[in-house]
Amino acid sequence: SQQGEEDPQALSIQEGENATMNCSYKTSINNLQWYRQNSGRGLVHLILIRSNEREKHSGRLRVTLDTSKKSSSLLITASRAADTASYFCATAPYNQGGKLIFGQGTELSVKP
Amino acid sequence: SAVISQKPSRDICQRGTSLTIQCQVDSQVTMMFWYRQQPGQSLTLIATANQGSEATYESGFVIDKFPISRPNLTFSTLTVSNMSPEDSSIYLCSVGRDRYNEQFFGPGTRLTVL
Repeated sequence: SQQGEEDPQALSIQEGENATMNCSYKTSINNLQWYRQNSGRGLVHLILIRSNEREKHSGRLRVTLDTSKKSSSLLITASRAADTASYFCATAPYNQGGKLIFGQGTELSVKP
Repeated sequence: SAVISQKPSRDICQRGTSLTIQCQVDSQVTMMFWYRQQPGQSLTLIATANQGSEATYESGFVIDKFPISRPNLTFSTLTVSNMSPEDSSIYLCSVGRDRYNEQFFGPGTRLTVL
């Protein structure tokens, strides 16, 4: 069963705007990872945030983690048409051997 | 990050047949997993491929339907047995150095069962 829920399920914005996606989960975790998938192709790893971290940056990406609320957010700043893709959060539950449990995903459309 | 390849990249199969998917990594990795992504859905973990021992299956997945081999630290296979149209999905392998670090995915195998 899915551990996480993401919202919104779909997001449509204009180029240059920021996009924020949220992820909630149910159990204690070792880390949370965000992935991008273009049109049913392979998953591209974006960023990992550990359970003892609260915020992490990578280029135009900013990820936050609130373990007390069991939630995370992914912010993409100054979006581009090339950012159009599905974005998934995946949690590594504590003491579960490293397997990942995926959220439902957010479909982002960035219009030029 | 590791370079991960999967074969075949796609296939169209008849119901009742079986297909074996290969996952090859360019370096030794501790962790290997197999996931399924049904059309329009998110990823679901099928099993953890354990080197030198039987795979650990998630609820809803059984060895008779999805036998997995992992003979060494760089290679694994997933077989989809006695296929039906409901098995039409993308099958992806993933690898990780350990349970605390990044997990990287192969390009996937797109399977269509007629």
